[in-house]
Order: sequence, then C-alpha cells, then structure tokens
Amino acid sequence: GQQVMQIPQYQHVQEGEDFTTYCNSSTTLSNIQWYKQRPGGHPVFLIQLVKSGEVKKQKRLTFQFGEAKKNSSLHITATQTTDVGTYFCAGTNDYKLSFGAGTTVTVRA
Amino acid sequence: ETGVTQTPRHLVMGMTNKKSLKCEQHLGHNAMYWYKQSAKKPLELMFVYSLEERVENNSVPSRFSPECPNSSHLFLHLHTLQPEDSALYLCASSHGDTLYGYTFGSGTRLTVV
Repeated sequence: GQQVMQIPQYQHVQEGEDFTTYCNSSTTLSNIQWYKQRPGGHPVFLIQLVKSGEVKKQKRLTFQFGEAKKNSSLHITATQTTDVGTYFCAGTNDYKLSFGAGTTVTVRA
Repeated sequence: ETGVTQTPRHLVMGMTNKKSLKCEQHLGHNAMYWYKQSAKKPLELMFVYSLEERVENNSVPSRFSPECPNSSHLFLHLHTLQPEDSALYLCASSHGDTLYGYTFGSGTRLTVV
C-alpha cells in the first residue's frame, strides 16, 4: 500500500535558524497536504499542493511539491518558538489520504 | 474552536465499560473520519463516512463501532476495550474528497484502565 515517509523524525533548531523537513512517497501523488499539530493540540491544515513543481509560501514557511509528485518539502526560515510542534504531510493516491509520521520540531531559545 | 467539536475531551474507562465518543460539525462537510493517534505512530485512519454511508473500515477491531446518523454527527461506540487502545481519538471532516484539507476536532484523550 501507499506509504508516506517523513524525515527527520525530530528536528532541534536554534531560534533564528532555518530548517527543512522532507516527505517522500512510494507512489505518485495526486496532491499533498501539510498539517501542524502544536503540543497538546490537534492537526491543523496548513496548505495543499497539487501541481508538479509547485511552490507556495506562507510567511516564513515555503512548501514545495516535487517534479515527479512523489516528494515534498517544508522549509522554515528564521525559526521562532511559535514554530514548535509536529508537522505532518499527507499524500493522496487513488483518492486515499495517507499521513506521514510527522517531524517534531523543538526550538532552542 | 475548529468547527469540529468532540466530546468528551478526556475519558477514563475500565475494560468492561461501554462509552461513546461524539463528534459534531456544522461546516457543511459531507465526509467525516475517525483517526487514532498513538505516541510515535502515524495517524491511523479507522473509519470514513461519506454522505452518511461508511465507505472505509481499516480493519478496526469490533470493539470499536461507528455510527453516523446524519452528515453533521459521528459517534464512536466503545466496549470491552484493551489498555493498548489508550490514545487520542480524532474526528475530522472534509468536503468529501481528498482535494480539500481536513478539519480536525480537538480530540478525545482516552485512557483504558
């Protein structure tokens, strides 16, 4: 079955630095979604990418969908303490949405 | 408030108890989902309802029984659970296909003792 893998599992970042988290699928995806879950909270939808090579930005967050539509990345610049949480990607194939295990981000002030 | 309301927020139950989790959405979505979130595991899809019809059951044990009386309400009936069923149970809704993001509720933190 379809699998969506995320790396790294944990990301410890110094405040002000940049980092990237990656999402890889074993199959071609129709679209990819990103969610953020704050500690003690629930997943919140951030964005969806549909087109091959698509890039979208939300303030300090840059989301990219690979040319082959099998991978995606989330890049955060100038990390802030408010960026703490777990970031999930979720890919659609054959009308099924599969979530990755998430990247848990902690920030050192 | 997310638009998807789950009750109760926390639940402690014994292995012989029967309880129900409730989910309600008034976003006009026509699909609703139950997910299980355990520590250090991906979100596990349990059930999918589309237009009040169950369209997916991901090999969930029969001690979990879903019910969707209308497009705004979803229940998860629990009976004779095991300690390993302790987890965060999340309800979500969407416009019915995967081209739109899901709206999650705040979840029910379930502890089975």
